Amino acid sequence: GAGVSQTPSNKVTEKGKYVELRCDPISGHTALYWYRQSLGQGPEFLIYFQGTGAADDSGLPNDRFFAVRPEGSVSTLKIQRTERGDSAVYLCASSRAGDNYNEQFFGPGTRLTVL
Amino acid sequence: ELKVEQNPLFLSMQEGKNYTIYCNYSTTSDRLYWYRQDPGKSLESLFVLLSNGAVKQEGRLMASLDTKARLSTLHITAAVHDLSATYFCAVTGRNNNDMRFGAGTRLTVKP
Repeated sequence: GAGVSQTPSNKVTEKGKYVELRCDPISGHTALYWYRQSLGQGPEFLIYFQGTGAADDSGLPNDRFFAVRPEGSVSTLKIQRTERGDSAVYLCASSRAGDNYNEQFFGPGTRLTVL
Repeated sequence: ELKVEQNPLFLSMQEGKNYTIYCNYSTTSDRLYWYRQDPGKSLESLFVLLSNGAVKQEGRLMASLDTKARLSTLHITAAVHDLSATYFCAVTGRNNNDMRFGAGTRLTVKP
């Protein structure tokens, strides 16, 4: 079946601009996660949704970052007033609720470059 | 704060050789994951380990978990070039939902 999809695959923007990154999870997965991966590093947790609500947003670096999942499926990560330090690959993952393994399946990522 | 440390960070090995990658974590965690990432690609799940003493094997890779020592190992047997990739371990935090990753081990298998 279809895996996690993310759009766009690449996004180049200028410092100070606003960007939106989209994630479409695996059908039926109620849990959705956003991570950020800088070059040469492991993914860094940003936010976790269970259904429509953000159950844990403790990883968001500051208030320029915001994410929504209004219908409990597709999620959008929004970054305001982008800075060069925001440049990274943004990964989305999803998992089934009630799964003891809580195995997360990752999308291909969106590579964000802030000039 | 939950921290995850992997070593080595870089590993170059000959085909046919064996080696072990180590993953230490700082606080109690219910789940330990191993992922593989190829250059420019996303993460592929390899193993999920839930309990102390758990051992899982897939092909030339075998993962184990010692929750008392807060240590997991990924053992590579008779390495082949196709195993060249970056391997990450990760553990779940106190909420069992946020995953904390190690820095990764970049493995290169040479002919």
